Amino acid sequence: DAGVTQSPTHLIKTRGQQVTLRCSPKSGHDTVSWYQQALGQGPQFIFQYYEEEERQRGNFPDRFSGHQFPNYSSELNVNALLLGDSALYLCASSLGVVNGNTIYFGEGSWLTVV
Amino acid sequence: DAKTTQPPSMDCAEGRAANLPCNHSTISGNEYVYWYRQIHSQGPQYIIHGLKNNETNEMASLIITEDRKSSTLILPHATLRDTAVYYCIVRTPSGSARQLTFGSGTQLTVLP
Repeated sequence: DAGVTQSPTHLIKTRGQQVTLRCSPKSGHDTVSWYQQALGQGPQFIFQYYEEEERQRGNFPDRFSGHQFPNYSSELNVNALLLGDSALYLCASSLGVVNGNTIYFGEGSWLTVV
Repeated sequence: DAKTTQPPSMDCAEGRAANLPCNHSTISGNEYVYWYRQIHSQGPQYIIHGLKNNETNEMASLIITEDRKSSTLILPHATLRDTAVYYCIVRTPSGSARQLTFGSGTQLTVLP
């Protein structure tokens, strides 16, 4: 049973560039959420996708966008990168939108902006 | 969203039980209490969750007080590999609002 997988694991980008991170949810899961974790802090919710639509969004600017594909996999796109976007980006998956269903995390993608 | 309060750090001797407290005095009736842990540089790992009854699985036990205002995560026989940041999280109640709101967590250090 494959867990949540993310790619790439590490990447370095230059200020102003754009980045795309990818996520495959745990087998059987249809809901994907993305989190940003800056060094020394807890993860912060970016947004959640269900049925290929953004269902909820945290306090992040429009430079952060996403997509969910029919196979439930997802992408996180960040445009016009800033130094402050350097962080661990975590993908999490779950089944449906019923409260109480467990959310599982991937190992994350480390983004460094220079 | 109900907020949680956890001690910033705790130590535990290897082989002993680790008891991690969490205060969630503003929790509402249909909110669950979840525990995750994060070992350095890895993604958060789900441990256990509960609504109002005590829960146990192969990793840990969760004790929720009768008034649900606090809970304790118990690792019965802590090992060095249990050293991690432990997060106590209360889930938002809306069916469509399924994000997890992480606080600062408790840094548990298991000592040899």
